Amino acid sequence: GQNIDQPTEMTATEGAIVQINCTYQTSGFNGLFWYQQHAGEAPTFLSYNVLDGLEEKGRFSSFLSRSKGYSYLLLKELQMKDSASYLCAVTRSYNTDKLIFGTGTRLQVFP
Amino acid sequence: DADVTQTPRNRITKTGKRIMLECSQTKGHDRMYWYRQDPGLGLQLIYYSFDVKDINKGEISDGYSVSRQAQAKFSLSLESAIPNQTALYFCATRDSLNTGELFFGEGSRLTVL
Repeated sequence: GQNIDQPTEMTATEGAIVQINCTYQTSGFNGLFWYQQHAGEAPTFLSYNVLDGLEEKGRFSSFLSRSKGYSYLLLKELQMKDSASYLCAVTRSYNTDKLIFGTGTRLQVFP
Repeated sequence: DADVTQTPRNRITKTGKRIMLECSQTKGHDRMYWYRQDPGLGLQLIYYSFDVKDINKGEISDGYSVSRQAQAKFSLSLESAIPNQTALYFCATRDSLNTGELFFGEGSRLTVL
């Protein structure tokens, strides 16, 4: 079957670093996405990894290990506005018409 | 103005009623999608369309139908709404030439009583 696992909730302090993990078991793999979703709003794209390694984009970085079926999203210098849900999604084919979403990790940042 | 617009944003209806959710986009993307989001279940794909003449079922298409009236418009219908269709519905678009980033509309919250 298809399975994507993320922690349900995490908390962190403003200015800190937090790592949100995602493990997946899918029949086929062609890339992993991270999306951010604030409460009541639409998901917005954060990152896309198709090769092993770390992709850095400002305060956010995303890591992928295909052999381990594992990814993480690293958020540095946390800000209050980073309080949101973070969705991990895997595409099994060359296009996202076969995109499978995890249930999301709700991150709360406290002052 | 948003690139992907959904109407209505909120709707309360009764069991058995027909409901249509509409989506329009100004991004010029060829692919359009309808997702449903329930607490604890994540986003699930209902239907998707590659172009006006192409419609495909997603994971949870039962009880839903769609129409791609033009490249920019993709509507989702519930022919006879039932309470377990209460959810947040998202329309999304994608350019088939890029890496696969989806652009989501602001969502339509549907409550079926």
